[in-house]
Amino acid sequence: GENVEQHPSTLSVQEGDSAVIKCTYSDSASNYFPWYKQELGKRPQLIIDIRSNVGEKKDQRIAVTLNKTAKHFSLHITETQPEDSAVYFCAASKGSNYQLIWGAGTKLIIKP
Amino acid sequence: DVKVTQSSRYLVKRTGEKVFLECVQDMDHENMFWYRQDPGLGLRLIYFSYDVKMKEKGDIPEGYSVSREKKERFSLILESASTNQTSMYLCATTSRLSSYNEQFFGPGTRLTVL
Repeated sequence: GENVEQHPSTLSVQEGDSAVIKCTYSDSASNYFPWYKQELGKRPQLIIDIRSNVGEKKDQRIAVTLNKTAKHFSLHITETQPEDSAVYFCAASKGSNYQLIWGAGTKLIIKP
Repeated sequence: DVKVTQSSRYLVKRTGEKVFLECVQDMDHENMFWYRQDPGLGLRLIYFSYDVKMKEKGDIPEGYSVSREKKERFSLILESASTNQTSMYLCATTSRLSSYNEQFFGPGTRLTVL
């Protein structure tokens, strides 16, 4: 079955620097790749997603890139701020009628 | 705005007890999911349901069962709670009719089994 691997498990960056989190997936039929953010004590929430017909998508300071050939996708956060500190999860799916397959999560720590 | 609620934020039970966790959503979503979240293991799917009275096993169904008698309500049942079921339990919903697959989560129930 589908497997999603996420790296690193913990990432510590200086405030203002960029952060990159990477995920790889195994099922080439996957076509939907969302990223969720879970702040401490709160529920996961969707922050950005990308579909397989697009190579990159941006929303202010966050962006996601997708390489279908290599079967990996990445989350990029620029100009990190304290409120970016959270656990980030990537996921993959074959479509709206299929379950999401989740990565193990990355704890992002923003150092002041 | 989607609202997903769970019956308890914190729950403490004893080994062997039968435990009920309830999830209610108000957006008429067809799909509902139960996950458990443990540090370093991410979100692991226990059971999901695509419609009333329908259920499918996820990746870790052992020791759990579910019930979906009404569209808005999805219950997770621990038949005989054990200490290794101490975890955070998250419910999520999504609409089958939407071309997007966004899952909306409840606030979570932190279960401790003593």
